[in-house]
Amino acid sequence: GAVVSQHPSRVICKSGTSVKIECRSLDFQATTMFWYRQFPKQSLMLMATSNEGSKATYEQGVEKDKFLINHASLTLSTLTVTSAHPEDSSFYICSARGHYLGAEAFFGQGTRLTVV
Amino acid sequence: KQEVTQIPAALSVPEGENLVLNCSFTDSAIYNLQWFRQDPGKGLTSLLLIQSSQREQTSGRLNASLDKSSGRSTLYIAASQPGDSATYLCAAEETSGSRLTFGEGTQLTVNP
Repeated sequence: GAVVSQHPSRVICKSGTSVKIECRSLDFQATTMFWYRQFPKQSLMLMATSNEGSKATYEQGVEKDKFLINHASLTLSTLTVTSAHPEDSSFYICSARGHYLGAEAFFGQGTRLTVV
Repeated sequence: KQEVTQIPAALSVPEGENLVLNCSFTDSAIYNLQWFRQDPGKGLTSLLLIQSSQREQTSGRLNASLDKSSGRSTLYIAASQPGDSATYLCAAEETSGSRLTFGEGTQLTVNP
């Protein structure tokens, strides 16, 4: 299957700082990327959907000024958690799909964010 | 709003057993349904994808079925192995290229 690389896999930051997470599609062009959040023992909750070159569409309850999403190219999307707080600690996973791959969604390895 | 439910939440079986994981969804107008595996602290690995026009898909020891009319999908694992221990998630896709709505997963433990 297609490969989606997410970096970093783990990050610990101080409260009040910003953290950037990268999601790259390595062998295909990702026209759409999704960002999910997963709390322990819970399922994935969609945060936002981004299409290359346009603004992201955020789900209800997700603060767009806090979770900045950039999808500037067909192979890269970034999620920046601004002014992070301990309650932002979670597992963040990106997903990417391209038209020629059909309906299947491919996922990154996830990023464990811990805010102290 | 689509809701996806998985039963059971956790399952522990001895090695070699055949087992079935269940997934139900409230809105039958789905584009496809996908099963994933997630190991602790890791991302998702796609196992099987069933298009809405299909009834089942098979890959090795895995077989997934889809019954849109009843809003159900099952994942059958034959001859389970300790390496199958993981959390299994099902997800429904509303339209082509749209979001996936996930169930909460079934945590499977296969004991040697």
